[in-house]
This record gives sequence, structure tokens and C-alpha cells, in this order.
Amino acid sequence: GQQLNQSPQSMFIQEGEDVSMNCTSSSIFNTWLWYKQDPGEGPVLLIALYKAGELTSNGRLTAQFGITRKDSFLNISASIPSDVGIYFCAGRFMDSNYQLIWGAGTKLIIKP
Amino acid sequence: SQTIHQWPATLVQPVGSPLSLECTVEGTSNPNLYWYRQAAGRGLQLLFYSVGIGQISSEVPQNLSASRPQDRQFILSSKKLLLSDSGFYLCAWGAGANEKLFFGSGTQLSVL
Repeated sequence: GQQLNQSPQSMFIQEGEDVSMNCTSSSIFNTWLWYKQDPGEGPVLLIALYKAGELTSNGRLTAQFGITRKDSFLNISASIPSDVGIYFCAGRFMDSNYQLIWGAGTKLIIKP
Repeated sequence: SQTIHQWPATLVQPVGSPLSLECTVEGTSNPNLYWYRQAAGRGLQLLFYSVGIGQISSEVPQNLSASRPQDRQFILSSKKLLLSDSGFYLCAWGAGANEKLFFGSGTQLSVL
């Protein structure tokens, strides 16, 4: 089946640091979505990407659709305590018939 | 604007008891509807999706079933719960080509 590798699995960072995480797939995707999930809540959509090379920002968050169409990254600049949570990438490959493939998540933890 | 409602938020059920989780969407017509399950600290596993009333596709063989009796209502059921059915259940909706998924707040199910 389709595979989507998300890394890192977890990150310990200092407040104010920049964060970077990425997802790679074994297939060409035509959609990349990035979500954030707080404990006990449903995931919330952060950024949606639809074109190879597309770079989109949402506040301090920036995500890019890789030019090979097999990867995407999410950057968070100047992290703050409320950035803590689990970040998921999800992608839709060609002819997927509605289904999204999900990464396993990147858990962001801010050091006290 | 569109909203998605999912209830209950938490549920503790004995093994062998039935289950019914309900999800409703407001503010949109003919959405695609999804049920996901998430084990603690893990990614999302697609259980069922529906593209219309009475149309249900199952992604994994399991002890659960889904129904869509109305356009904006999606129900997850079981006749007899197993311990392994414990988890965080999420309902989501999407619409249109290259759809984005929007999630409910989830139901934490504990089967004891």
C-alpha cells in the first residue's frame, strides 16, 4: 500500500526556536495537508497545498509542496508554548478516490 | 459556515455492549463523511467513508459498522464491543475535488 513517512517522530525545542518537519511518500501526490492536534481534540487544518513547488504561509507556519511531488515540509518560526501538540501530514495521491494517506505524526514538546 | 458535531465526548462501555456514535454536519450539502480511529499517541486509521446516503465503504475488516441514514448524519455502531475497540474516534467531512477534511472533536471510547 501507499506509504507516507513523517519525521521526526518527536521534537524537544526551546521556546523561540524554529521547527521543521517533513513527510515523504513513495508515490506522486496531488494534495498535501498539514494538521495540528491538541490532546483530546480533533485535528485542525493548518495549511493545504495543491501544486508542486507551492509555498504557503499561515502566520508563523510555512509549508511547501515538494517539486518532486513526493514530499512536503512544515516550518514553524519562533515557536511559542501553544505550538505544543502533534502535527500530521496527509496526502492524496493520483487516482486515490477520496482517500488521504496520513503520516504518523510529529509530537512537538517545548522544553521548560 | 459549516460545523461538525460529534457526541458523546467520552464513553466507557463494558465488553459485549453495543455502541452508537453519532456525527452530524451543518452548513453543507452532500458532504463526504469519514470515521477514523486513533490509538493513543498514534496516527489516524480510516474506518469508513461515505459519499452519499446509504453508501458506505469500509477500509478495514472489524467489529464496527457505519450507516448514513441522512445526508449530513453518520453513525458508527457495534453490536458487541471488544477490548480492542477502545480508542479515540473521529468523524470528519469533506467536499469537492481536492477536498480538505474537517474533523469533529472526537469521542474517547474505553471498553472495559
